[in-house]
Amino acid sequence: GAGVSQSPSNKVTEKGKDVELRCDPISGHTALYWYRQSLGQGLEFLIYFQGNSAPDKSGLPSDRFSAERTGGSVSTLTIQRTQQEDSAVYLCASTLGLAGGETQYFGPGTRLLVL
Amino acid sequence: GENVEQHPSTLSVQEGDSAVIKCTYSDSASNYFPWYKQELGKRPQLIIDIRSNVGEKKDQRIAVTLNKTAKHFSLHITETQPEDSAVYFCAGSTGGYQKVTFGTGTKLQVIP
Repeated sequence: GAGVSQSPSNKVTEKGKDVELRCDPISGHTALYWYRQSLGQGLEFLIYFQGNSAPDKSGLPSDRFSAERTGGSVSTLTIQRTQQEDSAVYLCASTLGLAGGETQYFGPGTRLLVL
Repeated sequence: GENVEQHPSTLSVQEGDSAVIKCTYSDSASNYFPWYKQELGKRPQLIIDIRSNVGEKKDQRIAVTLNKTAKHFSLHITETQPEDSAVYFCAGSTGGYQKVTFGTGTKLQVIP
């Protein structure tokens, strides 16, 4: 079946503009993660959605970052008033969210460049 | 919450030698420990995982060991090949619906 998809694959924006990044998880997956990965760095956790539970937003670096997940499926990560330090690859991953189904399937990422 | 530490951050080995990457975790309730491999420019992919009811798991040239008492687990790659060059991430979770916490990654370079 189809894997996790993300759009756009690349985004170039000017400092101060808002951007929206989209993630389409695997159908039936109840859990969804957003990560940020700067060049040569690790996976920085941003936010975690699990079913209808309140999302774990503990990784969001500032109030310029927000995310929502509509209908338990598609998720959008919004960055307001972008800064140059926001430049990174933003990865989305989904899991079944059940015992035995914790494998994270990552999307290809969105490469964001803030000029 | 869970904290996962990973060492070393970089590792260079000669082709054919073994490589070992170690991780420690803080939450004694954690019971699921996956390892992901991320090749340059690609997305992370699961290569092996282990649950707390076993101490070791093997899959061809890779193996993972778990010491619950010491709260650490390790990835072992034998007979390394150039295609093993990548960044490897360990992770821990209490399983099921709980959030997975990743280590900081190890960049493995296999020298031909």
